[in-house]
Amino acid sequence: DQQVKQNSPSLSVQEGRISILNCDYTNSMFDYFLWYKKYPAEGPTFLISISSIKDKNEDGRFTVFLNKSAKHLSLHIVPSQPGDSAVYFCAASAHYGGSQGNLIFGKGTKLSVKP
Amino acid sequence: GAGVSQSPSNKVTEKGKDVELRCDPISGHTALYWYRQSLGQGLEFLIYFQGNSAPDKSGLPSDRFSAERTGGSVSTLTIQRTQQEDSAVYLCASSPYRTGYEQYFGPGTRLTVT
Repeated sequence: DQQVKQNSPSLSVQEGRISILNCDYTNSMFDYFLWYKKYPAEGPTFLISISSIKDKNEDGRFTVFLNKSAKHLSLHIVPSQPGDSAVYFCAASAHYGGSQGNLIFGKGTKLSVKP
Repeated sequence: GAGVSQSPSNKVTEKGKDVELRCDPISGHTALYWYRQSLGQGLEFLIYFQGNSAPDKSGLPSDRFSAERTGGSVSTLTIQRTQQEDSAVYLCASSPYRTGYEQYFGPGTRLTVT
């Protein structure tokens, strides 16, 4: 039973355009969400996070949007660059209600940015 | 500063043999995690160490898997009597925060059981 779902295994975008990566979750207790980027043969690197008290967090070209009513978050990359080509993982955690608080990861979306 | 390091980077072993995977976390990080990523799958939580507290072993898939963390720093993940389904990339992460916040990952150990 997947609590964090990334339904698109891959996404291809032209350089300079917007990349939108989506993530859905089922556990309403999740209160913190993160995005990680992973290059081949490397470990995931932290990209950006958002607390459930916010609906948007921005860091340079990267913006994460959270829609709690829809249990949906998305990562926008504008403008996309070839170096952004990687696998992007969505993760979530819950810190209250007796939860352990461990990060739960989605299966990832492979982004390809074409020059 | 130095990030999380893991060794070996690649390990090929025969079915039934034991293997040990090592993780050196970022200095000062009190939390240490082990995950594995099988082909086409997300990151599967295995075990979590926080300071001197008893580890959270809830993610270990079987009693063939164990881990220890000596002196609150280096950690070793041991898999006994390896099976082909144990083939995966094993990732270690450390964090200065309590669980559920940002973690910093090592490059992983790719384990292949033949």
